[in-house]
Amino acid sequence: AQSVTQPDIHITVSEGASLELRCNYSYGATPYLFWYVQSPGQGLQLLLKYFSGDTLVQGIKGFEAEFKRSQSSFNLRKPSVHWSDAAEYFCAVGAGTYKYIFGTGTRLKVLA
Amino acid sequence: DAGVTQSPTHLIKTRGQQVTLRCSPKSGHDTVSWYQQALGQGPQFIFQYYEEEERQRGNFPDRFSGHQFPNYSSELNVNALLLGDSALYLCASSPGRDPFYGYTFGSGTRLTVV
Repeated sequence: AQSVTQPDIHITVSEGASLELRCNYSYGATPYLFWYVQSPGQGLQLLLKYFSGDTLVQGIKGFEAEFKRSQSSFNLRKPSVHWSDAAEYFCAVGAGTYKYIFGTGTRLKVLA
Repeated sequence: DAGVTQSPTHLIKTRGQQVTLRCSPKSGHDTVSWYQQALGQGPQFIFQYYEEEERQRGNFPDRFSGHQFPNYSSELNVNALLLGDSALYLCASSPGRDPFYGYTFGSGTRLTVV
């Protein structure tokens, strides 16, 4: 069955520190992978996506993610976190035709 | 350029009632998907509409139904509301020809069933 696992429910980092959010997927075919961010009371904003090609993809707001097929992972990274990055982050896989399967999310807290 | 617009933003209904949520997609998008996001969970796929027809459906009961209009806007209807239907309902639009282009999400409708 298709699934997405985000092992970390909460992560706290200091402003200026580096960040890595983990995402593991289970999907039989070549996956379409996405990271979204959700601020409190808001919808989801697309940070980046991977379909094929270069396994390191760049997104908005200074985020990047690396696709590792051997590990079934698509981890999100940022070299230096800003206080405004505090939000909830969702990893998603495009499953079959048209629908996305989302993970349960990782809530990021940034310490000043 | 307006993004995805959802209405209303908040709604309180009584168990057993019916509710209709509305969505206007981003300009240039012809596909609308609906997701349910329970508190502390990721969004769950309800269904997707394209060319005024339901193209795919997730694991939701028939109490959940939808419609897409010729202008691509969409409605989500939920009948016989249960307390467990309380959630944030998200509408997402995308270009139909490229379903994995990446959704544009609305800010959602917060439904509370009491």
